[in-house]
Amino acid sequence: EAGVTQFPSHSVIEKGQTVTLRCDPISGHDNLYWYRRVMGKEIKFLLHFVKESKQDESGMPNNRFLAERTGGTYSTLKVQPAELEDSGVYFCASSQQGYYGYTFGSGTRLTVV
Amino acid sequence: EDQVTQSPEALRLQEGESSSLNCSYTVSGLRGLFWYRQDPGKGPEFLFTLYSAGEEKEKERLKATLTKKESFLHITAPKPEDSATYLCAVQTTTDSWGKLQFGAGTQVVVTP
Repeated sequence: EAGVTQFPSHSVIEKGQTVTLRCDPISGHDNLYWYRRVMGKEIKFLLHFVKESKQDESGMPNNRFLAERTGGTYSTLKVQPAELEDSGVYFCASSQQGYYGYTFGSGTRLTVV
Repeated sequence: EDQVTQSPEALRLQEGESSSLNCSYTVSGLRGLFWYRQDPGKGPEFLFTLYSAGEEKEKERLKATLTKKESFLHITAPKPEDSATYLCAVQTTTDSWGKLQFGAGTQVVVTP
């Protein structure tokens, strides 16, 4: 079974630019989550999709972040415009039903300069 | 406010030297406590879920236990391949289903 795939693995952009991160969950997993870890801090929840619907987006930092999940398959997380404090590692995870030990991707390391 | 605190921040062990990692939590209500292992450049890898005080889970050299205030991850006779960052996370009864709150992790290095 293929795992959770994220790309790009690394992205370096200038402040004010736009970046789009993509996550391909495990096939058949209805639940998709985004988390991020900023330097020196713990991993923090951003949002949770069930199929194409946003179940919980309480962790989204502000309206510069937009997450979508097309047709209940892959998801994108767009940051527009990017700020320095957005730098960190963005993780995506998926699970089949509810939460029972979901599978994480390897993450996208975003650096805003 | 919910809090998850892991200690120590870092741990250096000789191969075969058993030790324990601690995860203390202060939450309104605990739905589950999770342990993950994370290797450099990778995402967290699920190890265990514990749901109630007194519960224990084992996998190879790892054993996780849970009380009403904390969880321990015991590493018995570790090997160099056990080197990783170990993360604790909680799911609370007031958060949405699936949302996890993570601690900062314990970085474990096992030397031959």
